[in-house]
Amino acid sequence: ETGVTQSPTHLIKTRGQQVTLRCSSQSGHNTVSWYQQALGQGPQFIFQYYREEENGRGNFPPRFSGLQFPNYSSELNVNALELDDSALYLCASSLYLRIAEINGYTFGSGTRLTVV
Amino acid sequence: KQEVTQIPAALSVPEGENLVLNCSFTDSAIYNLQWFRQDPGKGLTSLLLIQSSQREQTSGRLNASLDKSSGRSTLYIAASQPGDSATYLCAKGETSGSRLTFGEGTQLTVNP
Repeated sequence: ETGVTQSPTHLIKTRGQQVTLRCSSQSGHNTVSWYQQALGQGPQFIFQYYREEENGRGNFPPRFSGLQFPNYSSELNVNALELDDSALYLCASSLYLRIAEINGYTFGSGTRLTVV
Repeated sequence: KQEVTQIPAALSVPEGENLVLNCSFTDSAIYNLQWFRQDPGKGLTSLLLIQSSQREQTSGRLNASLDKSSGRSTLYIAASQPGDSATYLCAKGETSGSRLTFGEGTQLTVNP
């Protein structure tokens, strides 16, 4: 049990559609990051939220957006899905930003998104 | 250019063998270096985290080292077991703590 829960576990969408992926962190974890992992690749940083504000973004277009809520849950939204968006999407959380630097992040099991 | 590189991409060894996985990074402005394990289709399990001020960390049969000056980290697995079969990823923590930069992983197979 990692303490970070992601839903759904698997999802199939059609090109052009929109998708929302969800992540539920441990209570008190106010830092959450999202990563995209294509098949056979390492995870790529999408963005991070700290206390409900975006706190850093990777090289992803604006159609990737996120939200973090006061109850320590967060969402990743992707608009206008493309075939290349097919990947495992991972959520990672930590108690505080400084704690993450010391103790690292806890990852969820991911959502496997397939775009057809 | 890949910021974090892992060699080899795949490794197959007989059970009981000691092995070393390599990770190199291009930017010495590193805050920490973290090793993860990933089973097929699953999320990441943190194995070891080394702060930039440290040289190594140990957990059971695992030992990770960090050499900032040469931009290298190694993960040593002693007495490998079939249950160690997985993909091993190293990730560099940015100074700001805002992101991890991952390598592409080493896929390890330990044969009984």
